[in-house]
Amino acid sequence: DAMVIQNPRYQVTQFGKPVTLSCSQTLNHNVMYWYQQKSSQAPKLLFHYYDKDFNNEADTPDNFQSRRPNTSFCFLDIRSPGLGDAAMYLCATSRERGGVSSYNEQFFGPGTRLTVL
Amino acid sequence: GQQLNQSPQSMFIQEGEDVSMNCTSSSIFNTWLWYKQDPGEGPVLLIALYKAGELTSNGRLTAQFGITRKDSFLNISASIPSDVGIYFCAGLNSGNTPLVFGKGTRLSVIA
Repeated sequence: DAMVIQNPRYQVTQFGKPVTLSCSQTLNHNVMYWYQQKSSQAPKLLFHYYDKDFNNEADTPDNFQSRRPNTSFCFLDIRSPGLGDAAMYLCATSRERGGVSSYNEQFFGPGTRLTVL
Repeated sequence: GQQLNQSPQSMFIQEGEDVSMNCTSSSIFNTWLWYKQDPGEGPVLLIALYKAGELTSNGRLTAQFGITRKDSFLNISASIPSDVGIYFCAGLNSGNTPLVFGKGTRLSVIA
């Protein structure tokens, strides 16, 4: 089945120790998104890639970076995790963006729960 | 930025009852999406709406795109225990604009 895969599902890191979260997709979608979701809150968009074009949200801290080496993979790098970065990180994809059609529907992966000690 | 008001925040219902939740906005959206999120999992898309006034069903779920384009509701008929979870509405506009989420409705079903 076509899907969005996130690895690992659970990640524990130490305060200040860089960590990388991984997302892959078999949907061949152009757009890949990274969201942060804290307990009992809605997902918050960090940034997205449209193909190789990186789009950062204005309020995303510099501590968060992303790489998309090819269509299928996208990585979230947290350079110096703080206690406040503990959250669920969700990857999502859509075929397109900006229109009004099913091509803009976003499909989410299962998430990676990050714990910072 | 745009905000969505989703209500109710939480609901406790008996198995077999019908459920209704809604989202309102002060500005219009071109697309409304409804997601369900189980604990420890990512949101799963339930229903997508593209036209004002559109009414769409997916099994026991029915959602409508408000005629003013500023609201949407989701109904669940004959609830079952596996309906438990958090339901999010989300609005989307044209252009390079992000998906705007409501704060979610937490549904609990009592068997």
